[in-house]
Amino acid sequence: GAGVSQSPSNKVTEKGKDVELRCDPISGHTALYWYRQSLGQGLEFLIYFQGNSAPDKSGLPSDRFSAERTGGSVSTLTIQRTQQEDSAVYLCASSLDLGSDTIYFGEGSWLTVV
Amino acid sequence: KQEVTQIPAALSVPEGENLVLNCSFTDSAIYNLQWFRQDPGKGLTSLLLIQSSQREQTSGRLNASLDKSSGRSTLYIAASQPGDSATYLCAVKDSNYQLIWGAGTKLIIKP
Repeated sequence: GAGVSQSPSNKVTEKGKDVELRCDPISGHTALYWYRQSLGQGLEFLIYFQGNSAPDKSGLPSDRFSAERTGGSVSTLTIQRTQQEDSAVYLCASSLDLGSDTIYFGEGSWLTVV
Repeated sequence: KQEVTQIPAALSVPEGENLVLNCSFTDSAIYNLQWFRQDPGKGLTSLLLIQSSQREQTSGRLNASLDKSSGRSTLYIAASQPGDSATYLCAVKDSNYQLIWGAGTKLIIKP
């Protein structure tokens, strides 16, 4: 597509429910990144994919968080048993490859856990 | 562990003024440093990218400098305009190709 697309743009969920956030990167971009941004904070790195592979999952905040990427394209970030501290903007970005300097961001998925 | 700090956290200036935003990082082993702009409810847009071997980059009214040895970068905005109001984030790419981010400077330009 023309840009990085994320859905949903806004999600309000009840504590304890599972949520799935979707990211559709720019076509042809092999590298995909997930970040979390809490109110007034910088971006917290969560995970990256090179193709379908995520070599380092240590940035995920807890085992309630998981991410996958299929077909070298769309990625989903899943949060199980959501907690109020999970409320944040989840930003996805993609780049041509891992070494590329130019990175393109989606507009984010705003998650509110009530 | 690389840490990135941005000062000030917020800045409000009248239109037309020149201003400087600051970014510091603790580990000089970086590939590059980028300045991004974030508008409310929007994603991030890259403004300037400085490779580790470079000292500065310019784009229009924006000039970014990099002093790797001291772990500092500045973003200079000349003749500020209300449309420059946004949050400005700096990020360094570390030796693992990860971007490490500052918390940002929220800039308000008053007409």
